[in-house]
Amino acid sequence: DADVTQTPRNRITKTGKRIMLECSQTKGHDRMYWYRQDPGLGLRLIYYSFDVKDINKGEISDGYSVSRQAQAKFSLSLESAIPNQTALYFCATSDFRQGAYGYTFGSGTRLTVV
Amino acid sequence: AQKVTQAQTEISVVEKEDVTLDCVYETRDTTYYLFWYKQPPSGELVFLIRRNSFDEQNEISGRYSWNFQKSTSSFNFTITASQVVDSAVYFCALSVYGSGNTGKLIFGQGTTLQVKP
Repeated sequence: DADVTQTPRNRITKTGKRIMLECSQTKGHDRMYWYRQDPGLGLRLIYYSFDVKDINKGEISDGYSVSRQAQAKFSLSLESAIPNQTALYFCATSDFRQGAYGYTFGSGTRLTVV
Repeated sequence: AQKVTQAQTEISVVEKEDVTLDCVYETRDTTYYLFWYKQPPSGELVFLIRRNSFDEQNEISGRYSWNFQKSTSSFNFTITASQVVDSAVYFCALSVYGSGNTGKLIFGQGTTLQVKP
């Protein structure tokens, strides 16, 4: 099994619908992140969480919300999806221990809002 | 504030050519990490290298090499004898380490590399 699992892998939804993207990890890392990728813009941070009770907005949080249900689970919600939220979404965890500083990414969720 | 710039949006080369992908970063912090990721057409992010700010030694891994120069705030990536399988989007990224840091990765815009047979 993958260390960071995102579901679904692909999703098409209609404008105005609520949708949840899920992320679970087996790395045991405290920190989790949600990124959005758009062509020509790289990946941009939506939300990040240091632990279950510590959730923070990233640079593009408008229109999104998150839930950290457990150390291993971090979900991203679009309350009312709009077409410009069509993008590739990545979940990631991080490890900052000495010598191990790095990130583990999920395989991504390709979301299309029509 | 931190920033990563990949000025080359798209590069097209013919197989076996050498190609260098540029990355320029901005940060006032003294302790940071730089990364390169590859994103093939399948979409996943593949980790290529991590370099910390105290290690300016260049690195070579097979056909890949990286040149880190703090004097010019650059961390360039060279592929020698490119192959069609190298066709992908490549991202350079920066993470700042220190008190209060979020640990977030700041990505460049990405460079799309097309290697033609």
